[in-house]
Order: sequence, then C-alpha cells, then structure tokens
Amino acid sequence: KAGVTQTPRYLIKTRGQQVTLSCSPISGHRSVSWYQQTPGQGLQFLFEYFSETQRNKGNFPGRFSGRQFSNSRSEMNVSTLELGDSALYLCASSLFDSNTEAFFGQGTRLTVV
Amino acid sequence: QQQVKQSPQSLIVQKGGISIINCAYENTAFDYFPWYQQFPGKGPALLIAIRPDVSEKKEGRFTISFNKSAKQFSLHIMDSQPGDSATYFCAASLRGSGGYQKVTFGIGTKLQVIP
Repeated sequence: KAGVTQTPRYLIKTRGQQVTLSCSPISGHRSVSWYQQTPGQGLQFLFEYFSETQRNKGNFPGRFSGRQFSNSRSEMNVSTLELGDSALYLCASSLFDSNTEAFFGQGTRLTVV
Repeated sequence: QQQVKQSPQSLIVQKGGISIINCAYENTAFDYFPWYQQFPGKGPALLIAIRPDVSEKKEGRFTISFNKSAKQFSLHIMDSQPGDSATYFCAASLRGSGGYQKVTFGIGTKLQVIP
C-alpha cells in the first residue's frame, strides 16, 4: 500500500510569490490534514479536508488556502509569501478523522528568500 | 494558546537508560492521546496511543502513563537505544461539533540517546 506522497519535496520561492503544494493520501483515506512545522512552533494545524469539504481550520491568515479533489488528493496554496512562511509543510491522511491513525507524508520543505 | 504543553524540549539519555517525556493538557474534552515519532527528513509516524479510560499502555519498550485527574500523560522509553534518537510529539484530540476529531500537538522533544 503506497504511503502519503507530497510533492515537491523542496521549494525555494521569493517573497511575494505564491506556491502550491500537493498531497496524495493513502488509497481509501478520505481525510487530509495539513500542518506547518517550524523549530520554534512545532506542528501547527492548518486545515483539514474530508470528501472535498474543509471541515476544520487552524489559526492561519487567509493567504493559506487549500482544496481537496474527488479522488481525495489535496493541494494547499500560500499567496504573497513571507519570509516567516519558510517551514516544513506536512500532509496527513486518515481513514475518517484524526481519531484514527494519521499517516504523514515526508513533507515539502519551503524556503522563502 | 498552547493546549498541550510538552517537556522537555530536548533530552539526552545514555544507552540503556529510561527516556521520559511529559505532556500536560487543559481541555478535559480531549479523548485520544497519540504519540508520534519523527526521524530527520521524515514525517511523524504514530508510535503509541491511549484513551483516557486507561491509565497505562505498553507496547514493547514504549509505555504511556496517563493521569486523568492531573491532566497529564507521559511517554517512557525503556532501555533506550541510539536508534530511538528522534523527535517525539505528544498530541491530544477531541471530537468537534461537526463530529470529527481536532488534533493539537505538543511542541516536540528532541531525544538523543548516546552510546
């Protein structure tokens, strides 16, 4: 069974640009969550999608958005990038919700210069 | 507001020793407490989890102790090995109004086991 796949693995962007990250969950998993990981803040929850609907959202500005497609694949978008957006962005998939085991991808390392 | 407080943030343990990581939570509605292990360059992976109706759960060298009245839970790694060197995250989740679980992670503990 293939794991959670995140692409790309690494990205370097310039301040002010926008970026789109992709996540393919484990086959059959309908819940996809996104997290931002930084050394000082740990894992910060961004949002969760289930069956193409956002059903939970963390405390991030509107520059962070996401969507989920009918095949459960998910994308997150960050517009008007800031230096502070540099982080590891992790995607996790679950069968139904976070109360069942969440499987994480390897993440996308975003560097904003 | 940090709902799950994890300590210490870093820990150095001798091979064969016991590693102990502590977490405290505030919201009594939390009903699922997983621990995740993350190696460099990898995403976190579920290590062990516990529900509040159980005071202890053991899987191999890993044990979760849960104190509901104190709102604390901890991870004990017995006979710690260099291969256990990783970052450990505690987490707590609760069922939101929409019926789904919302997860909050601790800040993480970087464990180094030295030979």
